[in-house]
Amino acid sequence: NAGVTQTPKFRILKIGQSMTLQCTQDMNHNYMYWYRQDPGMGLKLIYYSVGAGITDKGEVPNGYNVSRSTTEDFPLRLELAAPSQTSVYFCASSYFLQGQPQHFGDGTRLSIL
Amino acid sequence: KQEVTQIPAALSVPEGENLVLNCSFTDSAIYNLQWFRQDPGKGLTSLLLIQSSQREQTSGRLNASLDKSSGRSTLYIAASQPGDSATYLCAVISEKLVFGKGTKLTVNP
Repeated sequence: NAGVTQTPKFRILKIGQSMTLQCTQDMNHNYMYWYRQDPGMGLKLIYYSVGAGITDKGEVPNGYNVSRSTTEDFPLRLELAAPSQTSVYFCASSYFLQGQPQHFGDGTRLSIL
Repeated sequence: KQEVTQIPAALSVPEGENLVLNCSFTDSAIYNLQWFRQDPGKGLTSLLLIQSSQREQTSGRLNASLDKSSGRSTLYIAASQPGDSATYLCAVISEKLVFGKGTKLTVNP
């Protein structure tokens, strides 16, 4: 069981560069989520998707974009990277929002210098 | 706006002690509450999920309770072990998942 797989695990970007964080799940989950975790600040929701072709903003969407062309994949795109986007990014998935546990990937540690 | 608070922020106990971690939330209109464990440099592992209609859930040495009316949940860990050392996060699920900042637990041998 692979569960939720995130790539890359680590990345260093220069200010202004762009990149895509990959997330894929093999559990046929409907819901997928992107969070960022900053030291001492807990997790904040960036974007989420309730199914292929449907995405919606979370609490901190500025500077990010997502797409959901398949049930399995939910990539997160950073355009014009800024130091404030230095963080650990987690992807998660679940069958539904209510009543079902969320499964998390191991995270992508991103530094913007 | 839903806010989730976890107290204490850090806790250090000797091995074998029973302990309680606290989680409070401001809006009682939730679907369920989930407790997670996070090891350093790792993702989150789901420990227990309590439906809004339930009062508690148990898994092994872990017991989580939920009191929606007072906006509180507790995670009870019995006979703590050094391997329990981790950060424990609670999250409430209403329209979205809202996380607390976590309690960092250290169990000393």
